[in-house]
Amino acid sequence: EVQLVESGGGLVQPGGSLKLSCAASGFTFSGSAMHWVRQASGKGLEWVGRIRSKANSYATAYAASVKGRFTISRDDSKNTAYLQMNSLKTEDTAVYYCTRPIRSGYYLFDYWGQGTLVTVSS
Amino acid sequence: EIVLTQSPATLSLSPGERATLSCRASQSVSSYLAWYQQKPGQAPRLLIYDASNRATGIPARFSGSGSGTDFTLTISSLEPEDFAVYYCQQRSNWPPLFGPGTKVDIK
Repeated sequence: EVQLVESGGGLVQPGGSLKLSCAASGFTFSGSAMHWVRQASGKGLEWVGRIRSKANSYATAYAASVKGRFTISRDDSKNTAYLQMNSLKTEDTAVYYCTRPIRSGYYLFDYWGQGTLVTVSS
Repeated sequence: EIVLTQSPATLSLSPGERATLSCRASQSVSSYLAWYQQKPGQAPRLLIYDASNRATGIPARFSGSGSGTDFTLTISSLEPEDFAVYYCQQRSNWPPLFGPGTKVDIK
């Protein structure tokens, strides 16, 4: 059974940093891209970014709203993906989900974690 | 950047009724449109991909249609567990983008 479990959310001040983790199981993590999607309270879904597999050079891509502030990485030995968030703004407050694409190279998500809440506030 | 518009914002129906949800793209996304269902406190669930293909385990009462700029999600007969928010998502152009959602609530 595919499982994705996020952790690391919490309260952080504007300008601060936070690192989220996504622990994966039930599939060949090393062969899969991993994506992050966020959702502000009562709002819609926003794609944040993705990291591809080693076979695709661990290539990353980001939404314009987070580019230069957020970094996605992975540790295939631990079956874990990470989202490092720096220079946080109040508008980054959201539930952050990690997701697995249905197929390599597809921006289509068939498995999601339960989400972790990030609150940016002074 | 493509803009997705969903209508109506809220759809109030009774169990057993037919639900028709619309998603319109500001430019063609070919058939690269998906639908997700999200219930309160839960992660989204993939229902339909590439306009008309049901994802694994999705009941046959859910169907999708359309191509280009106009898409429809139909729930043929609403079950109590179908009352939720539905999002469309395009993957034709980068970045992938979700629509604002349609809430289906109980009349």
